Amino acid sequence: SYELTQPPSVSVSPGQTARISCSGDSLPKRYVFWYQQKPGQGPILVIYKDTERPSGITERFSGSSSGTTVTLTITGVQAEDEADYYCQSTDDNDDWVFGGGTKLTVL
Amino acid sequence: EVQLVESGGGLVQPGGSLRLSCSGSGFVFADYAVGWFRQAPGKGLEWVGFIRSEAYGGTTDYAASVKGRFTISRDGSKSIAHLQMNSLKTEDTAAYYCTRVYTEYGGAFDIWGQGTMVTVSP
Repeated sequence: SYELTQPPSVSVSPGQTARISCSGDSLPKRYVFWYQQKPGQGPILVIYKDTERPSGITERFSGSSSGTTVTLTITGVQAEDEADYYCQSTDDNDDWVFGGGTKLTVL
Repeated sequence: EVQLVESGGGLVQPGGSLRLSCSGSGFVFADYAVGWFRQAPGKGLEWVGFIRSEAYGGTTDYAASVKGRFTISRDGSKSIAHLQMNSLKTEDTAAYYCTRVYTEYGGAFDIWGQGTMVTVSP
């Protein structure tokens, strides 16, 4: 089955830049979406179609793509950004697939 | 306010059944596909299934792990989607979320409910 690979954890100090990667063989030909999830809450969409930001999401969140890896970048990290982040795409059957999630810790 | 609210979770024995509901408000529910996802305690997100909008016939698709046991339906007049879960297994224990599938965002899940917990245990 198709897999998306994320680092289990990323740690940064407040004000620094956090980068969370997501790798998958089909990513060059598939859109990637990013979701933020805080404990006890449903996920929130923060990036769609690799690089686009939904209305209401701070400009500190951005997405980029290079080959089989996409990256979620959070600039000027704040304590409120501490959360789990999931990338999501589709496989060759157009079934939805998630990465394993990355826990962002703000030191 | 655009929102989705899940309900119907609870404790059920293995082999039992449960029906979850997803109620939408603040938008034309019938115009959107609805996805169902789950998250086992301490684990990541997993797709369960989805139902297309009424304009696309309300057809459904399911993940292999639940196909034949779970059924998704929708009631356009009430802005509600249901997830009927039969032959439940302990591994179905999870928080279940419904989402709106937003084609304008390339099929992103732009609205999520708060989730409802399903526990399958003897």
